[in-house]
Amino acid sequence: AQSVTQPDIHITVSEGASLELRCNYSYGATPYLFWYVQSPGQGLQLLLKYFSGDTLVQGIKGFEAEFKRSQSSFNLRKPSVHWSDAAEYFCAVGSGYSTLTFGKGTMLLVSP
Amino acid sequence: NAGVTQTPKFRVLKTGQSMTLLCAQDMNHEYMYWYRQDPGMGLRLIHYSVGEGTTAKGEVPDGYNVSRLKKQNFLLGLESAAPSQTSVYFCASFEGWDTEAFFGQGTRLTVV
Repeated sequence: AQSVTQPDIHITVSEGASLELRCNYSYGATPYLFWYVQSPGQGLQLLLKYFSGDTLVQGIKGFEAEFKRSQSSFNLRKPSVHWSDAAEYFCAVGSGYSTLTFGKGTMLLVSP
Repeated sequence: NAGVTQTPKFRVLKTGQSMTLLCAQDMNHEYMYWYRQDPGMGLRLIHYSVGEGTTAKGEVPDGYNVSRLKKQNFLLGLESAAPSQTSVYFCASFEGWDTEAFFGQGTRLTVV
């Protein structure tokens, strides 16, 4: 069965600083990988996804992620964080059995 | 185009009561999912469906039942609610891995 690990429960970043959120997955075949963001009291919004091809994918709101098969990782990055980026971020992996498995999330706090 | 709509948005139940959560999507998607979200646990898959008339168990199915009698609707039932089922429930639908999964706004359920 697939699994997703997000090692950081909370991360605090200064506004304007760069951001990297870590995600490691466990899945036997080529994974489908996703990053979602959730603002308080809201549903989930897709930031970006990876299926195949270029291992560096661009998403909305200036986010990007890089798929590294050798490290089983799909880390999310943003060069300059804005206060509005404060939210919870979820990494997810999709499998051929049509299930989407989420990590436990990383809460991003942005300090002024 | 409403996307994914969950009904109700909030509910308080007494232990032992039953209720049904409704998820409706207007995108003609084949796949539909029910998740529960608890603090520090991310989203855990309860049940899912890969098409009308089909259902399958996810990671945490105990205490829940589902039905997919119509393609656009996915119902989640609690026959005898327990305090451990206090959670925020999310429904999602999508058509395939090359597309985006759409989430409802969530149902906040409290069992007292």
